[in-house]
Amino acid sequence: GAVVSQHPSWVICKSGTSVKIECRSLDFQATTMFWYRQFPKQSLMLMATSNEGSKATYEQGVEKDKFLINHASLTLSTLTVTSAHPEDSSFYICSAAAREQYFGPGTRLTVT
Amino acid sequence: EDQVTQSPEALRLQEGESSSLNCSYTVSGLRGLFWYRQDPGKGPEFLFTLYSAGEEKEKERLKATLTKKESFLHITAPKPEDSATYLCAVADSWGKLQFGAGTQVVVTP
Repeated sequence: GAVVSQHPSWVICKSGTSVKIECRSLDFQATTMFWYRQFPKQSLMLMATSNEGSKATYEQGVEKDKFLINHASLTLSTLTVTSAHPEDSSFYICSAAAREQYFGPGTRLTVT
Repeated sequence: EDQVTQSPEALRLQEGESSSLNCSYTVSGLRGLFWYRQDPGKGPEFLFTLYSAGEEKEKERLKATLTKKESFLHITAPKPEDSATYLCAVADSWGKLQFGAGTQVVVTP
């Protein structure tokens, strides 16, 4: 149990385009989902907290207009990176909260 | 401000050589201390949650313990498949996790 999926697992896009990443809890409902970013050789940094039916809460320094989060249902949250730039290239990981946080497999974003 | 510090940064072990990883924390109101395992290019895999000092949990060759200021992850007789980065995190009252930098463990045959 407690499986979280992410799609796509990797994506390459051109600078200036937008990319959407989906996060799904497959076998449980998650009122809260979290989005993290991880740069090489570094730990996970929380970007935002996504609550079903309400606006996401962003951590300090994270641009809410650039990283759009939509928590459409109790099993789906999406992160859209708008007008992506090379510095947005990173490993994006979501988690869904049950009793503990269970993480998805991550999405590798490369912006060229 | 909450802080999580893991040591050592890296650990190289021979197969069968037991060792411990440390996670020291300062947090206002601990809502849980979590251990995860992360393999390269993958998301963290949940291992343990500890909630109160004195608590211990075990899973196969791993055992996690908790005091008021730190947690230890003991690896007993490790195998090469235990090679991974082990992450420690603390939860605040909102359920948000703050992660340590991790300990990269390499177990050689």
